[in-house]
Amino acid sequence: AQTVTQSQPEMSVQEAETVTLSCTYDTSESDYYLFWYKQPPSRQMILVIRQEAYKQQNATENRFSVNFQKAAKSFSLKISDSQLGDAAMYFCACPSTYSGAGSYQLTFGKGTKLSVIP
Amino acid sequence: EPEVTQTPSHQVTQMGQEVILRCVPISNHLYFYWYRQILGQKVEFLVSFYNNEISEKSEIFDDQFSVERPDGSNFTLKIRSTKLEDSAMYFCASRGQAYGYTFGSGTRLTVV
Repeated sequence: AQTVTQSQPEMSVQEAETVTLSCTYDTSESDYYLFWYKQPPSRQMILVIRQEAYKQQNATENRFSVNFQKAAKSFSLKISDSQLGDAAMYFCACPSTYSGAGSYQLTFGKGTKLSVIP
Repeated sequence: EPEVTQTPSHQVTQMGQEVILRCVPISNHLYFYWYRQILGQKVEFLVSFYNNEISEKSEIFDDQFSVERPDGSNFTLKIRSTKLEDSAMYFCASRGQAYGYTFGSGTRLTVV
């Protein structure tokens, strides 16, 4: 079964500082994507960033970037210049191993609750 | 930007009653999903749907659950006889050929 591990249940960061959230995953696929989702108190799932596994370059979206280590199956999220609005649950997700049906449903980690201290 | 629309945003139902959660996926997407998130826990896969049939389902998706796409646009999740433990946030998602998943804003189901 697919596993996604987020080892930090909670993290806190001072406003304007940088924080890194960790994620490791397990897949036998050679070509896949990885995702970070943000879930604010409204519980909506908001895509933060995605990484294509065949690309060596780490994805970047404004203040959000990833450190993707394919061999280590590690996919961490770095948030720079943290803002109060970044406070939320963050989930790492990986599509499941191809089963022949092609549905590629996502497997999520347990999440990291990020607090931003003013 | 195209959206996945879910209705209702919040549903309260009595234990044993049937509920239908509705979703309108993005029109040119091919794969449709339902996920569940019990409060304080991670998001769990329930079922995927492709070409008008279930392509995969998890062990959570037992006989009390069913899905259908009755009219080519709506995608519904039916829970036949709700239990207290079905209380959760239910997310619909869709994707096209690539890995472009789009989630709806969820339906909060409360079973009393």
